[in-house]
Amino acid sequence: DAKTTQPNSMESNEEEPVHLPCNHSTISGTDYIHWYRQLPSQGPEYVIHGLTSNVNNRMASLAIAEDRKSSTLILHRATLRDAAVYYCILRDWSQGAQKLVFGQGTRLTINP
Amino acid sequence: ETGVTQTPRHLVMGMTNKKSLKCEQHLGHNAMYWYKQSAKKPLELMFVYSLEERVENNSVPSRFSPECPNSSHLFLHLHTLQPEDSALYLCASSQVSMGFPGELFFGEGSRLTVL
Repeated sequence: DAKTTQPNSMESNEEEPVHLPCNHSTISGTDYIHWYRQLPSQGPEYVIHGLTSNVNNRMASLAIAEDRKSSTLILHRATLRDAAVYYCILRDWSQGAQKLVFGQGTRLTINP
Repeated sequence: ETGVTQTPRHLVMGMTNKKSLKCEQHLGHNAMYWYKQSAKKPLELMFVYSLEERVENNSVPSRFSPECPNSSHLFLHLHTLQPEDSALYLCASSQVSMGFPGELFFGEGSRLTVL
C-alpha cells in the first residue's frame, strides 16, 4: 500500500481556517485520497475523498496537488468540535480497495 | 448516531474467559470490518467480510474468531486472550458497489480490558 506522511500534531484557533497537509509521493494512478477523523471517545468518521480534482463538501475541502504527490484538507472555519485526529489514507480502486489502512494521523487542537 | 451499534461498550475479562463482541449495522450495507485500536498505535485492520464472506484476515491470532451470520451482524468471539489484547475494538460497515467499497461508517467501539 502506498504510504502517507502527516505532521503528528497541529494547533489552530477557533473560527480560523485550518490547512492539514498530507504527503503521498508514491501515490499510484488508481489511488483515491481519503480523509477520516476521529473525535475523542468515538470511532473514525468519513470526511472527504478525491482522485485528481479539488473537492468540496459540507464538512471540508480537499485540495490535491497537480502531481498528486500531496494534498491538503481545509477546514474553512474551525470550531472546538473539530478537535480530533485526522487521517489521510490512500485507497487503491483497482484492487477492490477493501483495505482502509490508517496511519498515525494529525492530532488537531483548537484553541478557544 | 452512525447507524453502526456495538455491544458491549466496555468489557473486562480474564485470560481464560470466552466472550463475544457484537456489531449491528442498520444501513443496509454489504461489507463489515473489525479494527483494533491500541494505545499509541494506529488502527489495525483485523477482518473484512464482504457479502458475508471473509475476504481479509490480517494475520490475526486464532484466539480472535469472527463470525458474520448475515449482512447486518458481525461478531468477534474472544477466547484465552492476553493482556496485550486490551484495546478498543471498532466495527465498521460500507456498501460495496461495482467492487468499490465506499466510505466506512464506524461504531463507537468496545473497550476491552484483559486481566
